[in-house]
Amino acid sequence: ETGVTQTPRHLVMGMTNKKSLKCEQHLGHNAMYWYKQSAKKPLELMFVYNFKEQTENNSVPSRFSPECPNSSHLFLHLHTLQPEDSALYLCASSQFSGSPSYNEQFFGPGTRLTVL
Amino acid sequence: GESVGLHLPTLSVQEGDNSIINCAYSNSASDYFIWYKQESGKGPQFIIDIRSNMDKRQGQRVTVLLNKTVKHLSLQIAATQPGDSAVYFCAENTPTGNQFYFGTGTSLTVIP
Repeated sequence: ETGVTQTPRHLVMGMTNKKSLKCEQHLGHNAMYWYKQSAKKPLELMFVYNFKEQTENNSVPSRFSPECPNSSHLFLHLHTLQPEDSALYLCASSQFSGSPSYNEQFFGPGTRLTVL
Repeated sequence: GESVGLHLPTLSVQEGDNSIINCAYSNSASDYFIWYKQESGKGPQFIIDIRSNMDKRQGQRVTVLLNKTVKHLSLQIAATQPGDSAVYFCAENTPTGNQFYFGTGTSLTVIP
């Protein structure tokens, strides 16, 4: 595997289900990100992890719970979601070398989530 | 929050013509900009980047222009091909962190 991989690619869940999204980066990066992409809206940053530590939480509802066990893996645990949470969830990674940072983010293919 | 917007949500061009996609950004402190391409069913892919100490940067068939005076960024694609059909996003980053702010995207359609 190369780059950033995400599983599953598609997920349909009910509002009472609990599921998890997985992201893995094979680039040796030290920062990982979760984004939400809804139709006709800019990418919304949800969480940022640098060196496994969460450094950003952009007012994301607690029904989304991130986990970063190591610098290569990132999870997004989902529970009690709402239909408006249906979107494409993108994971990204980058090499963060301190501010300012001139390193691009590499994105995975995303998980298409549908909440019924 | 930051505001990064695009002038046109859709753009159609004839194959072989040049394409220009525009982006306005709001934070004058932003010092690093990236253009991403997102094809259907895929995540965004890096196309080209530019730092604020530059006005122009060229890649293979692509050129990014930065006008800091009016906070405007553009992506020029030369000899547009059907494979260039996608949504294009600009993203900006400020010196204080590793957070990017993205525009809504422009959908480019290349007509054969």
